[in-house]
Amino acid sequence: EDKVVQSPLSLVVHEGDTVTLNCSYEVTNFRSLLWYKQEKKAPTFLFMLTSSGIEKKSGRLSSILDKKELFSILNITATQTGDSAVYLCAVPAMFYNQGGKLIFGQGTELSVKP
Amino acid sequence: DTAVSQTPKYLVTQMGNDKSIKCEQNLGHDTMYWYKQDSKKFLKIMFSYNNKELIINETVPNRFSPKSPDKAHLNLHINSLELGDSAVYFCASRPSSPSSRSYEQYFGPGTRLTVT
Repeated sequence: EDKVVQSPLSLVVHEGDTVTLNCSYEVTNFRSLLWYKQEKKAPTFLFMLTSSGIEKKSGRLSSILDKKELFSILNITATQTGDSAVYLCAVPAMFYNQGGKLIFGQGTELSVKP
Repeated sequence: DTAVSQTPKYLVTQMGNDKSIKCEQNLGHDTMYWYKQDSKKFLKIMFSYNNKELIINETVPNRFSPKSPDKAHLNLHINSLELGDSAVYFCASRPSSPSSRSYEQYFGPGTRLTVT
């Protein structure tokens, strides 16, 4: 069965710290891995990774994929209180009869203290 | 100009009642989804429709019935509500064309359902 596992489940840091969030996956017919940030409401898209070793960056956030070891990491440098959120990792199941559903990990709840 | 919208945002109701949640997307996407997020923040797929056709039903109790009147709308009707149905329900959509962004799903703001 396809699955996505994230660690840690929760993390408390202080402003300015750097954090690394982990996501490992087992999925048939892997196509891509997506990271979402969820604050109080809807998950919002951060990154999509399809190739190993190519880092995606957006400001203080960056992510990389290792397709051989089946994991991805999301790094946040110089954290700010506004980074406090649940970070979700997801992999699409892309068989036709699965309609592109996203299989989500449990999420990592990040809390950044002032 | 909201991309994916849901109504209502909050729903408080008693056990045994029947309720509906509506979802609309103005992105022109062909595929729409319902996800359930439990108290532990775990997001799980319930249903998926592609162009008004049901393509995923993830062993959800048949008290839950999705309906798609057109490809921009996907509603969720729940009969005989139970305490365990309390959760946040998210609607999402994505394009079906095989483009590089077709894996990305766009989520609505969620409907927090509380069954008492």
